[in-house]
Amino acid sequence: AQSVSQHNHHVILSEAASLELGCNYSYGGTVNLFWYVQYPGQHLQLLLKYFSGDPLVKGIKGFEAEFIKSKFSFNLRKPSVQWSDTAEYFCAVTLSGAGSYQLTFGKGTKLSVIP
Amino acid sequence: GAGVSQSPSNKVTEKGKDVELRCDPISGHTALYWYRQSLGQGLEFLIYFQGNSAPDKSGLPSDRFSAERTGGSVSTLTIQRTQQEDSAVYLCASSRGHLEQFFGPGTRLTVL
Repeated sequence: AQSVSQHNHHVILSEAASLELGCNYSYGGTVNLFWYVQYPGQHLQLLLKYFSGDPLVKGIKGFEAEFIKSKFSFNLRKPSVQWSDTAEYFCAVTLSGAGSYQLTFGKGTKLSVIP
Repeated sequence: GAGVSQSPSNKVTEKGKDVELRCDPISGHTALYWYRQSLGQGLEFLIYFQGNSAPDKSGLPSDRFSAERTGGSVSTLTIQRTQQEDSAVYLCASSRGHLEQFFGPGTRLTVL
């Protein structure tokens, strides 16, 4: 079964610092990759997704992620974080071409941005 | 437009009681998923419905858990004889085919 690892449980940054959250998955086949965000008190929202094509994908609110197939990685980046980015971030995969497209999630990374 | 809605938003029950959780997916979305979010286990897949096909129940943790989807729209997740370890936030998501899943606000279940 596939699995997703997020390297950091809790990241604390000051405003304007750069962000990179690690995500690795274990599956040898073709995957679809996602980053979801959960702001305090809100439900899960999609930040960005990768299905195919350009491995550098841009999402909402200035986030981007790069798919590196050889490293089984899909790290999330933002050049300059804001206090409003304080949230929990989840990396997730689905198996491309499978009959069931359930998401397999990482454990999540909590980001705290200090003003 | 309307997103995925779930009810109730909170449910407190006593150990051994049955509970029903409801999900209204986005109109036109053929796929519906249930997930569970708990402190120890993170986000786990429970069950998947796609159109009129047989559901994928591979994520259900025990036979106390069941779900149905009526008319290809509304879904109900039922937990029988609840246990304290069932306490979690139960999330519903819907999508068009295999595209991105849109999540509801969840139902927070507390089993005393």
